[in-house]
Amino acid sequence: DAEITQSPRHKITETGRQVTLACHQTWNHNNMFWYRQDLGHGLRLIHYSYGVQDTNKGEVSDGYSVSRSNTEDLPLTLESAASSQTSVYFCASSVGLAEIEQFFGPGTRLTVL
Amino acid sequence: RKEVEQDPGPFNVPEGATVAFNCTYSNSASQSFFWYRQDCRKEPKLLMSVYSSGNEDGRFTAQLNRASQYISLLIRDSKLSDSATYLCVVNIGTNAGKSTFGDGTTLTVKP
Repeated sequence: DAEITQSPRHKITETGRQVTLACHQTWNHNNMFWYRQDLGHGLRLIHYSYGVQDTNKGEVSDGYSVSRSNTEDLPLTLESAASSQTSVYFCASSVGLAEIEQFFGPGTRLTVL
Repeated sequence: RKEVEQDPGPFNVPEGATVAFNCTYSNSASQSFFWYRQDCRKEPKLLMSVYSSGNEDGRFTAQLNRASQYISLLIRDSKLSDSATYLCVVNIGTNAGKSTFGDGTTLTVKP
């Protein structure tokens, strides 16, 4: 069955380290998204991509970067992790039309000490 | 003002109760609307889309009021398993589907 996976599921790192969170989908969806979710803030969009070689900044993109070299993967990199980036990160994908639902991965819980 | 606003709750209701949530959106150009359900910090999953004519799926009814720019979700005959956070999602209708999520409304159904 097609799916969307994230790895690692849990990560503890130290301030200043570079961290990369993986997201992989097998639906062949054009669109992929990264969100963070914090208590009291709901889901906030970090970066998104409409296709290979396309990336766009979302609402809270500072300190994060993404790259889209193929359809299946959209890795999220924290260039220099900060304690404020402790959060749960969700990756999502959708076919490409506004009316179509997004499918979410299981999430990555990141703690920056 | 947030683009999408929801009453955070929590809503605590007994089994069998009817409960309704509202969600307001600020962008009048918004074109598609959804309700997602999220269980205990797991991934959100689509509950239902919201159509202009309103739509019903079993005990769940979703409605859209474009004039007042809000959508609603009605849950009838609440079950314990309905306990979750309900996220309102609004899309302005661009071709590629970037959406704005509300912060969610928490529902707890008690025996």
